[in-house]
Amino acid sequence: DIQMTQSPSSLSASVGDRVTITCQASQDIRNFLNWYQQKPGKAPHLLICDASNLKTGVPSRFSGSGSGTDFTFTISSLQPEDIATYFCQQYDTLPYTFGQGTQLEIK
Amino acid sequence: EMQLVESGGGLVQPGGSLSLSCAGSGFTFSNYAMTWVRQAPGRGLEWVSSVSGNGGSKYYADSVKGRFTISRDNSNNTLFLQMHGLRAEDTAVYYCAKDRGGDDPPGDCWGQGSLVTVSS
Repeated sequence: DIQMTQSPSSLSASVGDRVTITCQASQDIRNFLNWYQQKPGKAPHLLICDASNLKTGVPSRFSGSGSGTDFTFTISSLQPEDIATYFCQQYDTLPYTFGQGTQLEIK
Repeated sequence: EMQLVESGGGLVQPGGSLSLSCAGSGFTFSNYAMTWVRQAPGRGLEWVSSVSGNGGSKYYADSVKGRFTISRDNSNNTLFLQMHGLRAEDTAVYYCAKDRGGDDPPGDCWGQGSLVTVSS
C-alpha cells in the first residue's frame, strides 16, 4: 500500500496567518491527490483534487501544489471558519490511502 | 444536487453482523465506482472497500477481507456493505463516498455517516 505521511499532526495559528500542510507519498502518485476539510461530526468535504484543482465553491484562499511524491496545501489567510481537520488522500493506486490528518486550531 | 443518504448501523455484539445501505441521487449512479471509508472515534480516515460501477470488481482492505462484502443495486441507486464477524476494532463511523468516474475524482460526495458500535 502507498503510505501518505502528513505533517504537522496539529497546528495552532492566528487569524490572517498563512498556513501550510505537507503530504509525502511513499511512491510516485503523479498528481492523484485530494485535500479534504473535516469539521467535528461531519463528513469530509473535498476542497482540492488533482493536487491543485480547487473545487467549485471553495474559497480562493485555499490552494494546493506538488506532484510525484511531495505535496503542499496552503491557506493564504486563515479565517475562523477554517478551524477543522485536514486530510490528504492519494487515488493513484488502490487502496486510496489517507494521510493521518492535521488538526488546525486558532491561537 | 448530488446526495448520498446512509442507513443501517447501530450497536452489535462482537462476532455479530450488520448491514449498511447508501442511496445515491443527483448523479448517474452506475457510472461511478463507490467506496466505504470508516473513521474510528478520534482517529483518521481508513479506506474499507470499493466496487466498480457495474459491480464486477470489488476491493477490500486487509483488515476486513473475508468478513465484509460490498455490493450495489444500480436499478435502485443503492450501495451496500454487509459486515460479519464484527470486532471491537470495527467500531467507527462508516461513510459511503462517490468514487472515480470519467474525469471526476473520488470523494466529491459523501454520505452523512453511520455509527457502528461493536460492544458486549
